[in-house]
Amino acid sequence: DTGVSQDPRHKITKRGQNVTFRCDPISEHNRLYWYRQTLGQGPEFLTYFQNEAQLEKSRLLSDRFSAERPKGSFSTLEIQRTEQGDSAMYLCASSLGGGGYTFGSGTRLTVV
Amino acid sequence: TQLLEQSPQFLSIQEGENLTVYCNSSSVFSSLQWYRQEPGEGPVLLVTVVTGGEVKKLKRLTFQFGDARKDSSLHITAAQPGDTGLYLCAGPTTGNQFYFGTGTSLTVIP
Repeated sequence: DTGVSQDPRHKITKRGQNVTFRCDPISEHNRLYWYRQTLGQGPEFLTYFQNEAQLEKSRLLSDRFSAERPKGSFSTLEIQRTEQGDSAMYLCASSLGGGGYTFGSGTRLTVV
Repeated sequence: TQLLEQSPQFLSIQEGENLTVYCNSSSVFSSLQWYRQEPGEGPVLLVTVVTGGEVKKLKRLTFQFGDARKDSSLHITAAQPGDTGLYLCAGPTTGNQFYFGTGTSLTVIP
């Protein structure tokens, strides 16, 4: 297992377009998290899955954001009608139980 | 909201110098974690401290968890350019996720 993979690494999109990101966690890890990080800040929690169930969502996750983990393996994060304020690094992490996170390299989103 | 404040926000030092960065909160945490993040990459877990007063050493890095479990520090001895990065502390919330501090950006100049 090579760790947590995220795709794409970079995405540039026009305002108003929809984008989807993918995360492949470490296969043995049952928990998967999405975080967002802007320049000069620490990561901010967006949502959390245990297996295929989405158990927590931050109020940062507006109705334009949706996340899925259909088979308890990979996850997708979709942003609809992107806005310039959505520009950020989107980080996925996985863990086994409540242990420390293993993060992916992130997807850098730029909305122009 | 449990806030984790990190200081200093930015630190630039010469290779070979020692440094300490801090992570403080008004809340008690059951544990705290430290991560290092390099530009364009995700954070990498360095250590987890779980007991008040605990000291953990990782080569030139020494981590301490405060007795009251409200604060932590990271001391680096003889800093090297490879130590450059964003150092983040994180603590578990009442939910099932970790809250991250704003980080200390360290630059070690050769």
